[in-house]
Amino acid sequence: AQKVTQAQTEISVVEKEDVTLDCVYETRDTTYYLFWYKQPPSGELVFLIRRNSFDEQNEISGRYSWNFQKSTSSFNFTITASQVVDSAVYFCALSEAVTLSYNTDKLIFGTGTRLQVFP
Amino acid sequence: GAVVSQHPSWVICKSGTSVKIECRSLDFQATTMFWYRQFPKQSLMLMATSNEGSKATYEQGVEKDKFLINHASLTLSTLTVTSAHPEDSSFYICSAREGTGGWTEAFFGQGTRLTVV
Repeated sequence: AQKVTQAQTEISVVEKEDVTLDCVYETRDTTYYLFWYKQPPSGELVFLIRRNSFDEQNEISGRYSWNFQKSTSSFNFTITASQVVDSAVYFCALSEAVTLSYNTDKLIFGTGTRLQVFP
Repeated sequence: GAVVSQHPSWVICKSGTSVKIECRSLDFQATTMFWYRQFPKQSLMLMATSNEGSKATYEQGVEKDKFLINHASLTLSTLTVTSAHPEDSSFYICSAREGTGGWTEAFFGQGTRLTVV
């Protein structure tokens, strides 16, 4: 069965601190995709990153970086020099490529981590 | 990037009435749309997968007669909450994927906050 675990329910940091959001997943498939989404107070989901299971290279995008380790089934997200605008709920999600049409594969979301960045 | 528009953003309705929520892909054809439900401070739970021109596939535990989904065109899917009750109050979010082959990103609507009084 597929499962995504985000053990950190809430994290509070002060601006400019670095913060890492943990994500551990379970899947039986060898081909899958991992995602991170940001949900600000307004509610909409903002896509941050997609990573397929064959690409274990870490990725950096500005202040954001992601560490994908298949050996530990983890896909952690780090925000460097956090800012107040980073305050949001962050969701990690998993999608297995089990169909010929990837467009029907559903996303399994973790429970989310609420990040509060204080000035 | 692609835009998915959900309408209305929020709605308050009386118990026993029905509410329709629209999800539109504005600049792409969405062969598949997904409907999620999110209770306060909880995760998104998939309710159903909607394919254009065919019946929706509901997740276990979701009442298909209560949550009617119609995906009549490649740009529009609707979710109707029938005979709504206070326990149906929630945040409903749709997402849409473009095309029929290969991987494409799922774009999310801005969500609809439903309050049943």
